[in-house]
This record gives sequence, C-alpha cells and structure tokens, in this order.
Amino acid sequence: SQQGEEDPQALSIQEGENATMNCSYKTSINNLQWYRQNSGRGLVHLILIRSNEREKHSGRLRVTLDTSKKSSSLLITASRAADTASYFCATDASGYNKLIFGAGTRLAVHP
Amino acid sequence: NAGVTQTPKFQVLKTGQSMTLQCAQDMNHEYMSWYRQDPGMGLRLIHYSVGAGITDQGEVPNGYNVSRSTTEDFPLRLLSAAPSQTSVYFCASSYGDRGDTGELFFGEGSRLTVL
Repeated sequence: SQQGEEDPQALSIQEGENATMNCSYKTSINNLQWYRQNSGRGLVHLILIRSNEREKHSGRLRVTLDTSKKSSSLLITASRAADTASYFCATDASGYNKLIFGAGTRLAVHP
Repeated sequence: NAGVTQTPKFQVLKTGQSMTLQCAQDMNHEYMSWYRQDPGMGLRLIHYSVGAGITDQGEVPNGYNVSRSTTEDFPLRLLSAAPSQTSVYFCASSYGDRGDTGELFFGEGSRLTVL
C-alpha cells in the first residue's frame, strides 16, 4: 500500500500561472520529500521538509507540511513550459531508507 | 562523478529466464534501494539496504533477490521472470543520518519487458 497520495492526478495550466499539488499520507513521518520526473528519465530531488518544519522554499518552489492533517503541498510559482513533468511526494515514516512514494501528479504547462 | 549508474537500460526476457540488473554509485552513500515504476502506480519499493551486508524487503519483494557486498554496488536479481515483472526499474542511493533518510539520487532506469 502506498503511504502518500497526490492530488490532483493531473493538472494543466498556462505559463505564468501557479501550480499547486497536494500530498496526503497515513502515518507519522520523519520527513517528506518532493521529486520531479521528466518523461523517460529518473527522478530528481526537489525539496525535503522535516516533521518539525512547517514551510520551506527553494527558488520558485514552496512546500508546506501540516502534520496534524498529515498533508503537504507543493507550490510552483510563475510556471514555465519546462516545468512540465510528473511530481511525486515520498515519505520517510520508519527511517533507515524506507522511502515510500505516492502515485504522482502529472503537470502540463502550456506556452 | 557518475552518480548512480544502472545497466542495462533495456532488456527483453522470456518467461522463466533469470537476469541481474546492475546498480553502482560513486558517492559513498550507505543507503541504496530498488524501485519499480508501473503506469499509474508511482514507485514501489522492492528491496533496500542501509549498508554493506545489510538488506531488507520493501513493499513488493517477491520474485526478486538482492545482495550488498560492497558500498558501491547493489544488484537486483530476477530469479524466474514473469510478465508481471514488466516494468521500469530504478536504483537510488542516499546518505543516511541516524535513521533519517536523505534525498535520493536516482539512476536513469532499466526498462524490462518479459514476454
């Protein structure tokens, strides 16, 4: 069973708009991570947020974590066509390298 | 640095054949893991390792075997391939800090088809 569930499954926006993706999980976690995957490629790490953190920024990315609701969101501001990819959340619940991924959100950014 | 290197990139097998997917990393990471990715399913953890000589099962370990004799290498063996094992396989590595899993570095994937 998957720990994280992303919402929406697919998102289509215009360049310049913001994109928000959500992730819900089931058990307490050590940290939550977001990854990006371009078509046919491996995953690339975007950001890691620990259970005692509420918000993190990295460039145009903003991640929030609400441990009381067991949810996280990834915001991409001023999106570009190059942001078109699948985005996955992954949770480290039991530690020691057992990172569990959700099914992902497919983002399409149209010029 | 090469990062995480997976071979082969593509493989076609017949049902019942065995094979090994190779994975090597040059970042001196203690943690390594294997995932499979199927359409609409995201990534599912097959086996993982927290150091040389230490491996454990993930979510979907049946039909797969691993060993970790060195820090650098973490091969995945398919014992008797089945069509259900048709998938894209990803190897990943990361540093570990007292149980906290850091960011994963992924290979480019191995695309396996079992006929």
